[in-house]
Amino acid sequence: EVQLVESGGGLVKPGGSLRLSCAASGFTFSNAWMSWVRQAPGKGLEWVGRIKSKTDGGTTDYAAPVKGRFTISRDDSKNTLYLQMNSLKTEDTAVYYCSRTYYDILTGYSYPGVYDYWGQGTLVTVSS
Amino acid sequence: QSVLTQPPSASGTPGQRVTISCSGSSSNIGSHTVNWYQQLPGTAPKLLIYSNNQRPSGVPDRFSGSKSGTSASLAISGLQSEDEADYYCEAWDDSLNGVVFGGGTKLTVL
Repeated sequence: EVQLVESGGGLVKPGGSLRLSCAASGFTFSNAWMSWVRQAPGKGLEWVGRIKSKTDGGTTDYAAPVKGRFTISRDDSKNTLYLQMNSLKTEDTAVYYCSRTYYDILTGYSYPGVYDYWGQGTLVTVSS
Repeated sequence: QSVLTQPPSASGTPGQRVTISCSGSSSNIGSHTVNWYQQLPGTAPKLLIYSNNQRPSGVPDRFSGSKSGTSASLAISGLQSEDEADYYCEAWDDSLNGVVFGGGTKLTVL
């Protein structure tokens, strides 16, 4: 059974830093592209960024509001995805979800933007 | 202001057919496939439709998707009370070099 479990959320002051983790199980983590999506309280979904599998280059892409402040990384030996958040702003307050990009296990093709499994989310509150 | 435009709300009675629209541009829907997610209250989103009209295993065939030009739509037939949720469309955007979501549509089953 595929499971994604986020941790590391909490209360942080503006300008502070926080690192989120997402522990994955039930699938071959190293083959998967992974993403972070956030949802501010009472608002819609917002894409944060993604990291491709090392086989596909391991590159990252970020949404404009977080580029230069957030860093996505992965440790395939620990089946864990990370989101390092620096210079946090009040508008970064949200539930942060990690998600797996759907891939065809027969062809190895990853479907960009198709998120077939999601974690339960972890709340990050940026407030003084 | 979301890049993809959805109506903020929709409603229907049990058994009815409801359609939710999603409007974009040439840099997103016009060039890429559209995916739809269902988010029940207090839960994580769930993939409902991918690649415009494909249903993941386990999603009832009451749910269907379509795309034409720079717009897409999600149709739910035989509406049930458990369909009451928020629905989001999503696509890749070449101009932003990232994924964009619609603002979401809150579906109420009357």
